[in-house]
Amino acid sequence: GENVEQHPSTLSVQEGDSAVIKCTYSDSASNYFPWYKQELGKRPQLIIDIRSNVGEKKDQRIAVTLNKTAKHFSLHITETQPEDSAVYFCAASIRGGSYIPTFGRGTSLIVHP
Amino acid sequence: GAVVSQHPSRVICKSGTSVKIECRSLDFQATTMFWYRQFPKQSLMLMATSNEGSKATYEQGVEKDKFLINHASLTLSTLTVTSAHPEDSSFYICSAREGSYEKLFFGSGTQLSVL
Repeated sequence: GENVEQHPSTLSVQEGDSAVIKCTYSDSASNYFPWYKQELGKRPQLIIDIRSNVGEKKDQRIAVTLNKTAKHFSLHITETQPEDSAVYFCAASIRGGSYIPTFGRGTSLIVHP
Repeated sequence: GAVVSQHPSRVICKSGTSVKIECRSLDFQATTMFWYRQFPKQSLMLMATSNEGSKATYEQGVEKDKFLINHASLTLSTLTVTSAHPEDSSFYICSAREGSYEKLFFGSGTQLSVL
């Protein structure tokens, strides 16, 4: 089955700095890669996703890049703010059919004001 | 966006009792629902996948007789923790998707504490 590795497990940055979280996946058939943000005690919320037919997607301060050859994808957050502090999960899956996403272990992002 | 409602948000029960958790899709038909367990500062551990009208598919190591899942309608799935014990204490989250659409929508989670 699919295996998703996520690094780092903890990331501490100063407000205004950029943050990068990286994930690798093992199944070359995976073609959908979402990122979720989970605040303490809350539900995970989709913040951005990318499909395998594109290499980069951006939404305001958040961007995701995908390297299909190397089988890795990254989340980039620019101009971080304290409210960005949360746990971020990456996932990989195959669109359609029995689609069952495999999640990374999560990255705890701490943005210091 | 699509909304998934999960209740209760928190439950405290005595050891040996059963607890039912409900997960409802409010504005879409949830053909597939997933149930996860999450320990503090850890990832989402998939427990089972349920398709409407079918028996749930459990992940390896998850006791299906202990964690009963019912997905009788396109908007409701329930997880019943039977004969709960302290080691079952955890945060349980459901998620749902519609048809083959890849996006998942999560419930708000249930913190179960078994005394």
